[in-house]
Amino acid sequence: GAGVSQSPSNKVTEKGKDVELRCDPISGHTALYWYRQSLGQGLEFLIYFQGNSAPDKSGLPSDRFSAERTGGSVSTLTIQRTQQEDSAVYLCASSLMSGPGELFFGEGSRLTVL
Amino acid sequence: DQQVKQNSPSLSVQEGRISILNCDYTNSMFDYFLWYKKYPAEGPTFLISISSIKDKNEDGRFTVFLNKSAKHLSLHIVPSQPGDSAVYFCAALGGSNYKLTFGKGTLLTVNP
Repeated sequence: GAGVSQSPSNKVTEKGKDVELRCDPISGHTALYWYRQSLGQGLEFLIYFQGNSAPDKSGLPSDRFSAERTGGSVSTLTIQRTQQEDSAVYLCASSLMSGPGELFFGEGSRLTVL
Repeated sequence: DQQVKQNSPSLSVQEGRISILNCDYTNSMFDYFLWYKKYPAEGPTFLISISSIKDKNEDGRFTVFLNKSAKHLSLHIVPSQPGDSAVYFCAALGGSNYKLTFGKGTLLTVNP
C-alpha cells in the first residue's frame, strides 16, 4: 500500500509477556518515528530513526523498550516484560527526511496489557 | 510538564460557522508548528503548518495564526463542515529538527 502500515492493529497480552510491534513505512522515506498515545494524553515521542540508525532514543520509557530498523525500511518496537502502564496506542510515522514538515502516520497498534 | 497545551478538550459548533481551536506553548525554542487531525481508529493526518517567521498561513478553509509574543497559536476552520468532526492536535518543533511535541488534542464536533 501507499501509506504507513502497522501490525498488529490490536494486541492484548498478559503482564510480563513480551510484545513486538511492526511498522512498514512509506517506500523511500528515510526518517521513521515511534510515538505512543496513552489514554487522555497527547502523542509522546519514543524514538527516531534516520536510515537504520537511531540517533535519538531519549523517549523510550525504560530499558524494557527497544526498537530496530533494518534495510532502511521496516521497524520493530519490542516491549519486554510488559506492564499495565504500557497499555497505549503505539503510532509509527515516516517522512521523506527529517526536518520541518509533515509526518505520515500509520493507524497505530493498540496494546492492552492485562 | 506540558510544553504544548490545548486547554479545551472539546468544542462543538454548528455547520457553516467558524471553529477556533487554540494552542499555547511554553518552550521558546519552538519555531515550527503543525496541526494534525485524527479520526477514530485512524492515524493522525497533517493539516497545516506555520513557521515562526510568519504569523499566518492559510490553506483553503483552514488558517493558522501564530502570536509569538503570547506563545499562542490558533486554527480557524471556516465554514465548518460535519466531516471536520475529529480530534485536532497541535504540535511543535524546535531545538531538534525531528522531535514533535504534541498537545493532548481537542475534539471538534460540527453539528449539521
